[in-house]
Amino acid sequence: AQSVTQLGSHVSVSEGALVLLRCNYSSSVPPYLFWYVQYPNQGLQLLLKYTSAATLVKGINGFEAEFKKSETSFHLTKPSAHMSDAAEYFCAVSPSGGYQKVTFGIGTKLQVIP
Amino acid sequence: SAVISQKPSRDICQRGTSLTIQCQVDSQVTMMFWYRQQPGQSLTLIATANQGSEATYESGFVIDKFPISRPNLTFSTLTVSNMSPEDSSIYLCSAQTEIGSGANVLTFGAGSRLTVL
Repeated sequence: AQSVTQLGSHVSVSEGALVLLRCNYSSSVPPYLFWYVQYPNQGLQLLLKYTSAATLVKGINGFEAEFKKSETSFHLTKPSAHMSDAAEYFCAVSPSGGYQKVTFGIGTKLQVIP
Repeated sequence: SAVISQKPSRDICQRGTSLTIQCQVDSQVTMMFWYRQQPGQSLTLIATANQGSEATYESGFVIDKFPISRPNLTFSTLTVSNMSPEDSSIYLCSAQTEIGSGANVLTFGAGSRLTVL
């Protein structure tokens, strides 16, 4: 069984400030982990993924996430928020080893304040 | 990367009717998935649709309520049958589009927002 918990359904940051979106996972087997972003009226798109290579993963738009097994975490960060980062962000997990079912978190809406 | 088009983008339906959502991918894909996105809840997988076989439904979803077709490698439909207000939701089509990584990386359509009165 697998699940993800996203802490904070809404996060507000000032433009230029650090973005930190939290995700903790639970998985009975080594996981693959993902972050997706959803802009208004659009489908989800992949930001980045962890597939058991480097623990620090860089994605699009300056985002990165670090896999920490000891903390069962995969938090998403960006050093400096931009207005265009306002969106909903979903953490997701699947078992490693093949094209397996992906389980999503509840999502975190990021608001960027000018 | 692949582009997925869904229609309708939104609809308002009467209780007891059925609605079919269409999903078109601009390239051939093996695995397609249908999700439901309800406010304040995570995306919930309804079923996996592979071409040439019956859809595989997740716990809590049945074929009579959500029949799925997958006639070829670029197209799928989801029907929401005998709708009730509880079916009001966003329905998302997705496809596994990253071949070779070993991970189920998904591309999503923009979703179909259904409101049932």
